[in-house]
Amino acid sequence: AQSVTQLGSHVSVSEGALVLLRCNYSSSVPPYLFWYVQYPNQGLQLLLKYTSAATLVKGINGFEAEFKKSETSFHLTKPSAHMSDAAEYFCAVTLSSGSARQLTFGSGTQLTVLP
Amino acid sequence: DAGVTQSPTHLIKTRGQQVTLRCSPKSGHDTVSWYQQALGQGPQFIFQYYEEEERQRGNFPDRFSGHQFPNYSSELNVNALLLGDSALYLCASSRRNPRNTEAFFGQGTRLTVV
Repeated sequence: AQSVTQLGSHVSVSEGALVLLRCNYSSSVPPYLFWYVQYPNQGLQLLLKYTSAATLVKGINGFEAEFKKSETSFHLTKPSAHMSDAAEYFCAVTLSSGSARQLTFGSGTQLTVLP
Repeated sequence: DAGVTQSPTHLIKTRGQQVTLRCSPKSGHDTVSWYQQALGQGPQFIFQYYEEEERQRGNFPDRFSGHQFPNYSSELNVNALLLGDSALYLCASSRRNPRNTEAFFGQGTRLTVV
């Protein structure tokens, strides 16, 4: 079984400031981890993924995340926030073993970017 | 490439009715998964189809059923609708192999049950 906890349902940052969105996971086997972004009334868009290669993963729009096994974390960061980053962000986990791709999502973090 | 397409985009139904939602996967994808996203929550896995069979199922009642066609498109059916079924229903497609390919999501169908 696997689960995801996103700390902070709402995060506000000023434009140009560091963005840090937290994600901790629980998994019985080595996980695959993902960050998705959702804009209002839209589906989910993949930002980045960890699939057991490099622990520091770079994604689209300047986002990156680091897989830390000892801390069971996969926090999302961006050095400088832009107004267009305002959206809801979801961390998700799936098992690396087996053949199915059932994603388990966290409850999401709403990011607000202040001018 | 049109990506994952879902229809309809919005739907209003009455309690007790039945609804069918449709999904066409991204070109080259053979696996379709359905998720329910209630307002203010993360998506929850309903079930996954591959080779026209349900392969995995989440914690959803039998009122939720599905189908996959030979062209890999899929339908989600919900019977005896409840007010609590109101949600955004998301379809995701992926390739069975290799396993480290990501799932692509459609825009979703917003279902409102009144």
